[in-house]
Amino acid sequence: ETGVTQSPTHLIKTRGQQVTLRCSSQSGHNTVSWYQQALGQGPQFIFQYYREEENGRGNFPPRFSGLQFPNYSSELNVNALELDDSALYLCASSFATDTQYFGPGTRLTVL
Amino acid sequence: RKEVEQDPGPFNVPEGATVAFNCTYSNSASQSFFWYRQDCRKEPKLLMSVYSSGNEDGRFTAQLNRASQYISLLIRDSKLSDSATYLCVVEGQAGTALIFGKGTTLSVSS
Repeated sequence: ETGVTQSPTHLIKTRGQQVTLRCSSQSGHNTVSWYQQALGQGPQFIFQYYREEENGRGNFPPRFSGLQFPNYSSELNVNALELDDSALYLCASSFATDTQYFGPGTRLTVL
Repeated sequence: RKEVEQDPGPFNVPEGATVAFNCTYSNSASQSFFWYRQDCRKEPKLLMSVYSSGNEDGRFTAQLNRASQYISLLIRDSKLSDSATYLCVVEGQAGTALIFGKGTTLSVSS
């Protein structure tokens, strides 16, 4: 096991709602990256947080936002949910730019 | 052109077979390369990093050709437990983002 945990494991929401996903990083890691994996696709980079600051962002709209806390855990917030937001959301923790270790993911279904 | 492209698959092979996966990447400035393995409905796990000199880990051999922007993974003596999706990954954005290919599915049968 990587020591990276995510909650919840599954979530069902309706269009227009807001969702918050949580990630606890591995002990000793100070960086959390978030990815979205749609069915049949590889994970796509959403953004990364390093020492509580956003440190890179992929091609996702502003309704995808995040936070990192002093203990390096992180949240991903998605506003105004759309059907296409249905996916597996993965967080990965690392020490700076070292190897990224993934959590088990949160499976989000938007109806 | 997609940033990372992989063989579409799926690959269906018998136990004991040798199978090779190929991958190309578009950013010639990329510095780090990986193969990740993902089991059904699970998270990706690092299988191995890929170096220019080539590297081997047991039955797995990874190769990188920077001139052709090409990465490969060879699996020898396939086992049933090798059945999974193999993701070719390139590090982008100055060490922040991992850029994944779509993945190639391998099914090993007895």
